[in-house]
Amino acid sequence: SQQGEEDPQALSIQEGENATMNCSYKTSINNLQWYRQNSGRGLVHLILIRSNEREKHSGRLRVTLDTSKKSSSLLITASRAADTASYFCATDAKSNFGNEKLTFGTGTRLTIIP
Amino acid sequence: EAQVTQNPRYLITVTGKKLTVTCSQNMNHEYMSWYRQDPGLGLRQIYYSMNVEVTDKGDVPEGYKVSRKEKRNFPLILESPSPNQTSLYFCAISRTGLPGELFFGEGSRLTVL
Repeated sequence: SQQGEEDPQALSIQEGENATMNCSYKTSINNLQWYRQNSGRGLVHLILIRSNEREKHSGRLRVTLDTSKKSSSLLITASRAADTASYFCATDAKSNFGNEKLTFGTGTRLTIIP
Repeated sequence: EAQVTQNPRYLITVTGKKLTVTCSQNMNHEYMSWYRQDPGLGLRQIYYSMNVEVTDKGDVPEGYKVSRKEKRNFPLILESPSPNQTSLYFCAISRTGLPGELFFGEGSRLTVL
């Protein structure tokens, strides 16, 4: 089963508004990352937050991590049309075969309406 | 800047016809990995490699093989493709290994008829 689950699955907002996406995970983690994927393209790394960090910023992005609730949120402020993409959270966790790996959620599809 | 090149980008093939999807990198990174992406299932790891001649299974290795004879290349081999291997495949690399940042290729869309 998926380690990370994003919520909502899809989000449409007006340009200029803020977009918030959430990620919940099941097992303890060392780090959590957020990636963006434009339609059919490769994923692009946005930000990494470590388990001992609570909040991190990068430009218009703000990520929070609550390890007690096993959840993270990604906030995109002052959204732009170019932010239209799918956003994935990824956590490092042990796989079924016992090896370390990065597990991705199913993503939030964000649409920015001009 | 990290560059991950996958070939082919698009392929339509038939059941049972062996195929190889190549992945090469320009960064001399040790860690390389293959993922498949399917609607509603997100990305799932197929295989990964920590270095030359060091490979290991991910979550969904059945039906796939890999090799890592050179540091820059990490081909994904489908010995006998089946329709359930129709998917979008991504190769990804990392300088530090996990849990470092992954750099992804542009993807290879494979259809098995």
